[in-house]
Amino acid sequence: NAGVTQTPKFRVLKTGQSMTLLCAQDMNHEYMYWYRQDPGMGLRLIHYSVGEGTTAKGEVPDGYNVSRLKKQNFLLGLESAAPSQTSVYFCASSYLTSGSYEQYFGPGTRLTVT
Amino acid sequence: GQQLNQSPQSMFIQEGEDVSMNCTSSSIFNTWLWYKQDPGEGPVLLIALYKAGELTSNGRLTAQFGITRKDSFLNISASIPSDVGIYFCAGQTYSGGSNYKLTFGKGTLLTVNP
Repeated sequence: NAGVTQTPKFRVLKTGQSMTLLCAQDMNHEYMYWYRQDPGMGLRLIHYSVGEGTTAKGEVPDGYNVSRLKKQNFLLGLESAAPSQTSVYFCASSYLTSGSYEQYFGPGTRLTVT
Repeated sequence: GQQLNQSPQSMFIQEGEDVSMNCTSSSIFNTWLWYKQDPGEGPVLLIALYKAGELTSNGRLTAQFGITRKDSFLNISASIPSDVGIYFCAGQTYSGGSNYKLTFGKGTLLTVNP
């Protein structure tokens, strides 16, 4: 049971380039999330998914797209990277327990856009 | 939107000391979660609280869900060097259907001097 995994761990992009971050979970969780973490800003939700084939916008969705074609995978895409998207990206997944969803996080992807 | 005020922002303590941190909000939450993030890693769930007034322990960690449902605190007793990291509180609200929202505090950076 690997939990939540993310690939790649590190990436450097030039402004305008595109890339996709992959998140995978083997816990059969329904919900999956993408966050970005910046110094002094805490964790901010980009997009999330409440099930296979569904996605929704979070707090800071601009410049990102997502897809959830399979229950275990959640992809985050940057179509045209900008320096403001330099950040650490975390994926999380959750399941319903005791009436609440406890989120479990991946190890993160550190992205630098030059 | 909902905001969590987490304090203190940082703490520098000696090994063996007890630590206390808290989160407050003007909003009511259904669940409080406490996470720890080690350098270069994703947040790891430490304690989940589901009912107002609930007091829960996990080893040397104790957390409480405030009776007003607007606050929570985390205590660490007899700190050790491996307690170093960033501690995040998170409050969850539920507004029907699949609308669960998790709001994170900005974190408390804990440094333990051996």
